[in-house]
Amino acid sequence: EVQLLESGGDFVQPGGSLRLSCTASGFTFSSHAMNWVRQAPGKGLEWVSVVGTSSDTYYGDSVEGRFTISRDNSKNTVYLQMNSLRAEDTATYYCTKKVPGKFPFDRWGQGTLVTVSS
Amino acid sequence: EIVMTQSPAILSVSLGERATLSCRASQSINSDLAWYQKKPDQAPRLLIYAASTRATGISSRFSGSGSGTEFTLTISSLQSEDFAVYYCQQYNKWPPWTFGQGTKVEIK
Repeated sequence: EVQLLESGGDFVQPGGSLRLSCTASGFTFSSHAMNWVRQAPGKGLEWVSVVGTSSDTYYGDSVEGRFTISRDNSKNTVYLQMNSLRAEDTATYYCTKKVPGKFPFDRWGQGTLVTVSS
Repeated sequence: EIVMTQSPAILSVSLGERATLSCRASQSINSDLAWYQKKPDQAPRLLIYAASTRATGISSRFSGSGSGTEFTLTISSLQSEDFAVYYCQQYNKWPPWTFGQGTKVEIK
């Protein structure tokens, strides 16, 4: 069974940093691109970042230059390093798995809550 | 960036009735369209991909249609477990992958 387990969410002050982790099981991790998607309170879903199978990375405009995504295939884990956090980064962050090729996100984790506030 | 627009924002439906949700893309995305169901405190769940293909384990009550810029998700006979927020997502041109703002299906 595919499982994605996020951790690392916390309460942090504006300007602070946080690192999220997502540990995967039940599939060949190294063969799948992994994404982070977030949902702010009362808002919709927003794609944040992707790391491909070759560790190529892309970011949404709202986090470019502040967030860094990476993966460790030996640990079946994807990370999201979040720096210079802002109040508008407050959200539940979901780790998602993407089927290779032109397909959507087929599995999502339960999410981890990040709260940025003074 | 491809903008996805869903309508209506809120849909009030009685149990057993049909629900029809719409999603429009700002440019053609062929059939590269997915629908997700989101319930409070739960992970989003993939319902439909390629505009009309049900994901594994999804009830036949859910059906999708459309191509190009206009898409529809139909829930044929609403059950209590279907009340949720539904999002469409395009995966034709990325990054970024973009979502609609969601349609909340509530009990009438």
